Amino acid sequence: DAGITQSPRHKVTETGTPVTLRCHQTENHRYMYWYRQDPGHGLRLIHYSYGVKDTDKGEVSDGYSVSRSKTEDFLLTLESATSSQTSVYFCAISDRTGTSGANVLTFGAGSRLTVL
Amino acid sequence: KQEVTQIPAALSVPEGENLVLNCSFTDSAIYNLQWFRQDPGKGLTSLLLIQSSQREQTSGRLNASLDKSSGRSTLYIAASQPGDSATYLCAVTIPNFGNEKLTFGTGTRLTIIP
Repeated sequence: DAGITQSPRHKVTETGTPVTLRCHQTENHRYMYWYRQDPGHGLRLIHYSYGVKDTDKGEVSDGYSVSRSKTEDFLLTLESATSSQTSVYFCAISDRTGTSGANVLTFGAGSRLTVL
Repeated sequence: KQEVTQIPAALSVPEGENLVLNCSFTDSAIYNLQWFRQDPGKGLTSLLLIQSSQREQTSGRLNASLDKSSGRSTLYIAASQPGDSATYLCAVTIPNFGNEKLTFGTGTRLTIIP
């Protein structure tokens, strides 16, 4: 997707190992989000960022941490991966304008993580 | 807690037919509702956004309606084509003290039969 890149796109790892997923944007958008998508659950928000070094938790944040040291990069880290974290992870960006909530997100192509 | 439901989970329709996808939400205190399309192995693409003050939005063969009071939205696709086959998700934007977030439904997987 134009302006937003996720890496790696696929990763297989073992339980207990650390994993970092990277989201990179070239749109200079303020807001960045990490979602996970699982069958029967839809997309669920893990963490989001509303500026450099400004992050907050979503609804499924346990076991995950994030960092945003630059506008363009938002990192998602699994400190010690578990099988329940096997999922497809999507990054999204937004240049939301005001409290009207016109929060149109642009999504990355996703990162498929398998934890054995 | 806001919950968003999409029924059915899957739908198959012959090419050329008009169809309606449904989305319901439990809390009417939303800023807007969006419809997204997701192709297999890909991310989501925003199709239509309806502000809470609006009743509907149209884009080409797509028409989305919103009834906040009943907690329902529909996505109408006219003259369906095989290229419309995809998963369609709806999402509502809920208030969150200036950092509004989206809550997604689980999606309807649409198959258009040639």
